[in-house]
Amino acid sequence: ETGVTQTPRHLVMGMTNKKSLKCEQHLGHNAMYWYKQSAKKPLELMFVYNFKEQTENNSVPSRFSPECPNSSHLFLHLHTLQPEDSALYLCASSPGTGANTGELFFGEGSRLTVL
Amino acid sequence: GENVEQHPSTLSVQEGDSAVIKCTYSDSASNYFPWYKQELGKGPQLIIDIRSNVGEKKDQRIAVTLNKTAKHFSLHITETQPEDSAVYFCAASGNRDDKIIFGKGTRLHILP
Repeated sequence: ETGVTQTPRHLVMGMTNKKSLKCEQHLGHNAMYWYKQSAKKPLELMFVYNFKEQTENNSVPSRFSPECPNSSHLFLHLHTLQPEDSALYLCASSPGTGANTGELFFGEGSRLTVL
Repeated sequence: GENVEQHPSTLSVQEGDSAVIKCTYSDSASNYFPWYKQELGKGPQLIIDIRSNVGEKKDQRIAVTLNKTAKHFSLHITETQPEDSAVYFCAASGNRDDKIIFGKGTRLHILP
C-alpha cells in the first residue's frame, strides 16, 4: 500500500467512448502526476499538478483531459481515444515539485485497452 | 531537455551473484538520480536515490554510484535473491522544472 489509489484497475473502451480514470492520495502531498507506461518505452510524463494548478503538460493530445479538484484527487478524462493509447496509466504524488519533489509515490496503475 | 539512456534492457543473473544496471543522462544540470523497482502488477517504488553532491550511496545489498563528469550512474545489487526479480528504472531530474525523466527500464531475472 503506497498511499496512492487508482481506479479502475482495468478498463476496456471503444474509440467513441468517454471514460475517466481516478487517482486519490492519502499522503498529504501537494503534487500529483499522470504517467503513461507502454511496452518497451520509458515512463512518459503526461501532466503535473502542484497545489491543484497544472504546471506541466508534456504535449499530450487533447483527447486526454486532466482534472485536479484538490491536492488529493486527480482525474484523467478520456474521449475519442486511439488503439495506440492502450497502456498502463500511472498516477503518482510527491511532497512538492522542482527542488522539493523528493520521492514519487505511484499507484498500481489503470490498465487501459482501446478497441 | 533531459534524456536518460538505460542498459541493458534485460539482465539474467544467477541467484547469489551481483547485478549492475547502467544509465547515462544528458543534462549536466540534473542533480537528483532515483532508482525505482516495479514488480508485476504494481507501480514503481523508490529503492534508492543519490544527489549530485555524493559519488556513492549504499543501502544493505543495493548501492548506487554517480560520475558527474561522465554523466552516468549505476545500480549495483549484490547477493541477488529471487525477490529481486523485477523491472528497474533509473531517472534524473534537476531543480529547474517539475520533470523526472525515466530510462526505459531493465528487466532483471534472478535464476535459481
